[in-house]
Amino acid sequence: DVKVTQSSRYLVKRTGEKVFLECVQDMDHENMFWYRQDPGLGLRLIYFSYDVKMKEKGDIPEGYSVSREKKERFSLILESASTNQTSMYLCASSWTGGAQYGYTFGSGTRLTVV
Amino acid sequence: GENVEQHPSTLSVQEGDSAVIKCTYSDSASNYFPWYKQELGKRPQLIIDIRSNVGEKKDQRIAVTLNKTAKHFSLHITETQPEDSAVYFCAALIGINFNKFYFGSGTKLNVKP
Repeated sequence: DVKVTQSSRYLVKRTGEKVFLECVQDMDHENMFWYRQDPGLGLRLIYFSYDVKMKEKGDIPEGYSVSREKKERFSLILESASTNQTSMYLCASSWTGGAQYGYTFGSGTRLTVV
Repeated sequence: GENVEQHPSTLSVQEGDSAVIKCTYSDSASNYFPWYKQELGKRPQLIIDIRSNVGEKKDQRIAVTLNKTAKHFSLHITETQPEDSAVYFCAALIGINFNKFYFGSGTKLNVKP
């Protein structure tokens, strides 16, 4: 029973392309998050959203933007992909006030920028 | 902001031995500390957590301890098995309303049969 779905498992894009990573959750969670995962650096927060059309920068927002037009969907946008954005991207969601029950993660999108 | 440091980055143990992973955090306001296990090619999964009003929590072969004064918490795995091999992440949550975690850099645990 998959609850957080990321649309692509693997993506290969060219430098300079505009890239969209999609995440959908079916748990009616208010909060959604985008992380990138790199060896030795763990999970670093790019952006998060606590409500529809609301967004907050995380620790590494440069080069990224997000969109949350509907509660269930949170999109990560790479405006002009660069090779240093090659990474594993993980989406997660949680309830407001319920984060202490943990996140639910998507399966990840491995993005390669060539 | 919060800073979570995790050690060691890699850990190799013999099957049946114990494994301990340690994390420290910087913000004394942090009040919830989950641990996630990520198997190769899979999503991180919550395996155990502890709140700031508790010093220790145990679930079968895994346990977590928290020292609020020293601002560190640890994951203990006893009688390790090959299926325990994975990357483990610690995290710290600041306040209920912040709703975001700060993660450690991860520990790759290898349990040798």
